[in-house]
Amino acid sequence: EPEVTQTPSHQVTQMGQEVILRCVPISNHLYFYWYRQILGQKVEFLVSFYNNEISEKSEIFDDQFSVERPDGSNFTLKIRSTKLEDSAMYFCASRVEATQYFGPGTRLLVL
Amino acid sequence: QKEVEQNSGPLSVPEGAIASLNCTYSDRVSQSFFWYRQYSGKSPELIMSIYSNGDKEDGRFTAQLNKASQYVSLLIRDSQPSDSATYLCAVSPTDFQGGSEKLVFGKGMKLTVNP
Repeated sequence: EPEVTQTPSHQVTQMGQEVILRCVPISNHLYFYWYRQILGQKVEFLVSFYNNEISEKSEIFDDQFSVERPDGSNFTLKIRSTKLEDSAMYFCASRVEATQYFGPGTRLLVL
Repeated sequence: QKEVEQNSGPLSVPEGAIASLNCTYSDRVSQSFFWYRQYSGKSPELIMSIYSNGDKEDGRFTAQLNKASQYVSLLIRDSQPSDSATYLCAVSPTDFQGGSEKLVFGKGMKLTVNP
C-alpha cells in the first residue's frame, strides 16, 4: 500500500541553523500539507500546498518557514533560522478526496 | 477561531467493553469529520471518516455525527489492548472539493484497554 515517507526521522540542530525536512507524498495525490505537534500538545496545521503554490497557511507559518516541491516527488519544509520553540514532530500529509494520509514524522530538536 | 474539543480523559476500559469517545466542534460550516488513532511517538492513522448525519460502522468502530449539535463520536466495540492509544478528532472546515481542507485537531483522548 502506498505511504507517505519522510526524512530524516530525527534531526538535532542548533538554534539559528536552517533545517530542511523532506517528504515524499503518495504518488497520485495532489494536495500536500505540513503539520506539527509539540510534545504533549495537539496536532497543528502549518501549511497546505496545491498546484505548486501555497493554498493556505497558519499564523505559525511565518517568514521563517517555506515550502517547496522541487521535483515531481519531493515536498520540503524549510525553517530558515530555527528557534527553541520549533522543537516538535513535523508531519507531512497528502490528500486524495477528503482523506489525508500522514507520514511517520520528523522529530526536530533545537538546542 | 475554529475549535475542536475532546473530553479531557484519560479513559480506561476493560478488554471487551465499549469505549466511547466524544468531540464537539465550533465551526458550523464544517463538512468532513475524522477520527485518527495515534500511538505514542507515531503519526496519526485514519480510523474513520464521516460526512453526513447519522452512524457509520466499520468493523468494531462506529462513528456518529450530529451536525445540529456539532457533535461527533466514536464507539469502539469489543475493545482490545491493542486499541490503547490516543484518539484524535479532526474536522475539516470546508467541503473537500474546494479550499485547502486543512484539518483542525482536538487535543486527543488517551484510551487504555486493560486485559
